[in-house]
Amino acid sequence: GEDVEQSLFLSVREGDSSVINCTYTDSSSTYLYWYKQEPGAGLQLLTYIFSNMDMKQDQRLTVLLNKKDKHLSLRIADTQTGDSAIYFCAEGPQGGKLIFGQGTELSVKP
Amino acid sequence: EPEVTQTPSHQVTQMGQEVILRCVPISNHLYFYWYRQILGQKVEFLVSFYNNEISEKSEIFDDQFSVERPDGSNFTLKIRSTKLEDSAMYFCASSEEGSSPLHFGNGTRLTVT
Repeated sequence: GEDVEQSLFLSVREGDSSVINCTYTDSSSTYLYWYKQEPGAGLQLLTYIFSNMDMKQDQRLTVLLNKKDKHLSLRIADTQTGDSAIYFCAEGPQGGKLIFGQGTELSVKP
Repeated sequence: EPEVTQTPSHQVTQMGQEVILRCVPISNHLYFYWYRQILGQKVEFLVSFYNNEISEKSEIFDDQFSVERPDGSNFTLKIRSTKLEDSAMYFCASSEEGSSPLHFGNGTRLTVT
């Protein structure tokens, strides 16, 4: 069945770039998403990319999609301590049934 | 910015009791969803709802679960007879259309004792 995989942890220094990676299996996915979850909070939609795109930039966030390898990445430029959170990759067709990865815990050290 | 709101933020119940988790989706959204996240596990799809009926459900969403849109603003998830393994964070989400991004609420943490 469909699956989404992410590495569990990433630690960076404040000011560095963070790159969070994700692989997925469903080639029919229409959208790929990045959600952020801070402690005790819900899932905040950070950004998403259509499957026919290969890059999307939104301020400090850059999403790269390699459809051939089914690889998605999220780059956060100039990472701040406020970026510390769990980042979830998710894929979905139309209709809202998203498949989530297990989340990558980003730790930003001053 | 409009947001999905969920109440309560934390619910504790005894095994076998019924619980109702409440959600107010974003007002112009037409599609509604419930997801859950058991501690330490992935976020899992439970059910999607459109035009006053279930459009898709997962195998987790068995006869113990039901959803309802009782009025023009609320969307509820009922668990008829809770089990210990129902303990999880339950997230409500909504989207403007079926192809639009999902916006999630802050979740309700359900603890079954």
